[in-house]
Amino acid sequence: DIQMTQFPSTLSASVGDRVTITCRASQSISYWLAWYQQKPGKAPNLLIYKASSLESGVPSRFSGSGSETEFNLTISSLQPDDFATYYCQEYNTYSWTFGQGTRVEIK
Amino acid sequence: DVQLVESGGGLVQAGGSLRLSCAASGFIFINFEMNWVRQAPGKGLEWVSHISSSGRTTYSADSVKGRFTVSRDNAKNSLYLQMHSLRAEDTAVYYCARGRGTEDSFDNWGPGTLVTVSS
Repeated sequence: DIQMTQFPSTLSASVGDRVTITCRASQSISYWLAWYQQKPGKAPNLLIYKASSLESGVPSRFSGSGSETEFNLTISSLQPDDFATYYCQEYNTYSWTFGQGTRVEIK
Repeated sequence: DVQLVESGGGLVQAGGSLRLSCAASGFIFINFEMNWVRQAPGKGLEWVSHISSSGRTTYSADSVKGRFTVSRDNAKNSLYLQMHSLRAEDTAVYYCARGRGTEDSFDNWGPGTLVTVSS
């Protein structure tokens, strides 16, 4: 089974900061990786699919990069609405495994 | 607008059974693969089960294999999760989620339904 490891697990940042979250796969998944944002008590929301494709309606300050085993989610200028938990997800195999999550909190 | 609404959650004793439903609207249900994802209280997301658009192909996580069965009724625009032999560790909010494409990420989610298994 593929394992997905995200880091950091918690990130403290200020409004306007550029932040990057990393997700590492235990084996190559090509570019079959998605990123989700989840706020407390709410369902997750798809941000990025196929490693770097922006989902419709998602602000352009979100971007994804990477391939094979290492991937990044970058928020170019953190906004108040962006404080949330972010998850990566692989879908290269029939398992759709999620990373453990990165909580972005206010510094 | 795409809408997914789960129902059927509740309190059940360990060893018991429960059937979750997800009512879909706002899109052509038969054209999309569907999934169940769960989240234990204070924990991360865990994919549970996947079903193809026709319903002929399913996949499930090892943690639920042999206990949970995913199915769909395309005539009723509905997705189901039949859960047997429930354990305390199955306590979670269960979300239904639409596949963006074939074996793809999940582009629409329901608000979730809480399943609590008491030991």
